[in-house]
Amino acid sequence: EPEVTQTPSHQVTQMGQEVILRCVPISNHLYFYWYRQILGQKVEFLVSFYNNEISEKSEIFDDQFSVERPDGSNFTLKIRSTKLEDSAMYFCASSEGDRVGAQAQYFGPGTRLLVL
Amino acid sequence: DQQVKQNSPSLSVQEGRISILNCDYTNSMFDYFLWYKKYPAEGPTFLISISSIKDKNEDGRFTVFLNKSAKHLSLHIVPSQPGDSAVYFCAASEGTGNQFYFGTGTSLTVIP
Repeated sequence: EPEVTQTPSHQVTQMGQEVILRCVPISNHLYFYWYRQILGQKVEFLVSFYNNEISEKSEIFDDQFSVERPDGSNFTLKIRSTKLEDSAMYFCASSEGDRVGAQAQYFGPGTRLLVL
Repeated sequence: DQQVKQNSPSLSVQEGRISILNCDYTNSMFDYFLWYKKYPAEGPTFLISISSIKDKNEDGRFTVFLNKSAKHLSLHIVPSQPGDSAVYFCAASEGTGNQFYFGTGTSLTVIP
């Protein structure tokens, strides 16, 4: 069964450093998402991406964050200058269609980011 | 801003019995709801969804009930199995947006 993959599984970085989290969505999916979950808290939507542009973003997704689909398979989340509060599990998800088909949002296993 | 709330952080149920997981929301504009299951070290897995035009949706052992007037939804698992032990999240969205608001999750333990 096709699945969303994410690399790395764990990332430790120093405050102020840039990090890039990578995701490979399911190949025939057109919509891509990033979520995060701070330890002990709820899963929070960050951004959705379609047709090479951001379609929706939350208040969390400020100028420090950016997303890119650099080629036909990867979908990346970049944090330019990490802060301690960016420490969280970051989930990538993809879906074949838009919200009507949102039940088919498939999640990756997550990348645990720790900012020291 | 907790627009979606799961007030029970944990629930224990005997195998074979019914598990009922509850979720409340505050935004009356929410019109699409999902339940996800999450095992440790894995991403959330979609379980079942319901739109606001329905009050019930069933898929095998899983049934979701929606009470719009009470802004409440619940997930029923019958019969519960040990493999159902996981954290369950409800999520909601409004209009045509792709942004889902998640609850904090309920950890279900099914005791053999």
